[in-house]
Amino acid sequence: DAMVIQNPRYQVTQFGKPVTLSCSQTLNHNVMYWYQQKSSQAPKLLFHYYDKDFNNEADTPDNFQSRRPNTSFCFLDIRSPGLGDAAMYLCATSRDLRSQETQYFGPGTRLLVL
Amino acid sequence: AQTVTQSQPEMSVQEAETVTLSCTYDTSESDYYLFWYKQPPSRQMILVIRQEAYKQQNATENRFSVNFQKAAKSFSLKISDSQLGDAAMYFCAYSGGSNYKLTFGKGTLLTVNP
Repeated sequence: DAMVIQNPRYQVTQFGKPVTLSCSQTLNHNVMYWYQQKSSQAPKLLFHYYDKDFNNEADTPDNFQSRRPNTSFCFLDIRSPGLGDAAMYLCATSRDLRSQETQYFGPGTRLLVL
Repeated sequence: AQTVTQSQPEMSVQEAETVTLSCTYDTSESDYYLFWYKQPPSRQMILVIRQEAYKQQNATENRFSVNFQKAAKSFSLKISDSQLGDAAMYFCAYSGGSNYKLTFGKGTLLTVNP
């Protein structure tokens, strides 16, 4: 089945130690998004890639970066995680950058910062 | 700016009964799309149903249906014959016009009682 896959499902890191979260998709969608979701809150968009074009949300901290080496994979890098970065990180994809396109979400990676 | 409001932080329903989750939105766009996403305790966000604003007919997907009132800017979700597996956080979301980004409501936590 075509899907959005995130690895790992759970990630524990130490304060200040860089961490990378992975997302892959078999939908062959042009757009990949990264969201941060804290407990009992709606997801917050961090950034997205449209093909190779990167678009950062204005309020996304510099500590968060992303890479998309090919259509299928996208990575979220947190350079120096703080305690406040503990959250669920959701990857999503859509076929195109149009309001009518449905976003499809992966299962998420729960990040714990010690 | 578009806003999405879910006025019910929590709802509960008896198994096999019907429940309606409320959502209102504000937009000046004429062309937009509305979504209900379900996020169970496993945390994967799953699309339940979507509605195109230009369609007068309410969308349905098996036990899930919407009551789309365009003039009132209301988009409620009805779940019929509720099942234990319906227990989840439900997010109402909007995208419209040239804005492909999803605007989420704060969510409604649905509990299904056996």
